[in-house]
Amino acid sequence: GESVGLHLPTLSVQEGDNSIINCAYSNSASDYFIWYKQESGKGPQFIIDIRSNMDKRQGQRVTVLLNKTVKHLSLQIAATQPGDSAVYFCAEEKSGSNYKLTFGKGTLLTVNP
Amino acid sequence: ETGVTQTPRHLVMGMTNKKSLKCEQHLGHNAMYWYKQSAKKPLELMFVYSLEERVENNSVPSRFSPECPNSSHLFLHLHTLQPEDSALYLCASSQVGHHFYGYTFGSGTRLTVV
Repeated sequence: GESVGLHLPTLSVQEGDNSIINCAYSNSASDYFIWYKQESGKGPQFIIDIRSNMDKRQGQRVTVLLNKTVKHLSLQIAATQPGDSAVYFCAEEKSGSNYKLTFGKGTLLTVNP
Repeated sequence: ETGVTQTPRHLVMGMTNKKSLKCEQHLGHNAMYWYKQSAKKPLELMFVYSLEERVENNSVPSRFSPECPNSSHLFLHLHTLQPEDSALYLCASSQVGHHFYGYTFGSGTRLTVV
């Protein structure tokens, strides 16, 4: 499954499938990007980040891809688990913004057992 | 205690009440933030304190009044709120400067104005 963050805010996948959550960011001057996960009743939690001098970064079961040409960021979750069910936000920081993050609207990921 | 702690977790207040939200960070960060999170809206930045100085106030109504007595504590004083102010209020902290790695959020205060 695939979701375009601001236009399709929900994504439903089967347990064990791979998930892809997309985000179109707005500012070509942004040079630092973060994915956050927010579970029900909790604050957003840092998952993975990437700087503009990279196009891919991998963590444990998660990969972030950055395409600066089209201003697109994606989060790939491998072997999605029920515990991955949450709202996922992308955030961008524009160089010179005094470390201010701008957040996307979020995508709700639901993992079906 | 670790991370960013917010109290209370839930708050119900009348429109004529005065209350305060508290945030404490145990990370040694030098900047703190208040965000408002409403349903189906992106996170809205309200206030930024960097090195205990307020550096941003995003056109927030005066019925919200922040206070940052030191780098570890942040308050949001509330008075004569409106029902549309009901939301999740999130506090965050960060280390601004060369080692900036985004924000660490607290769990938020769920505010209901009746």
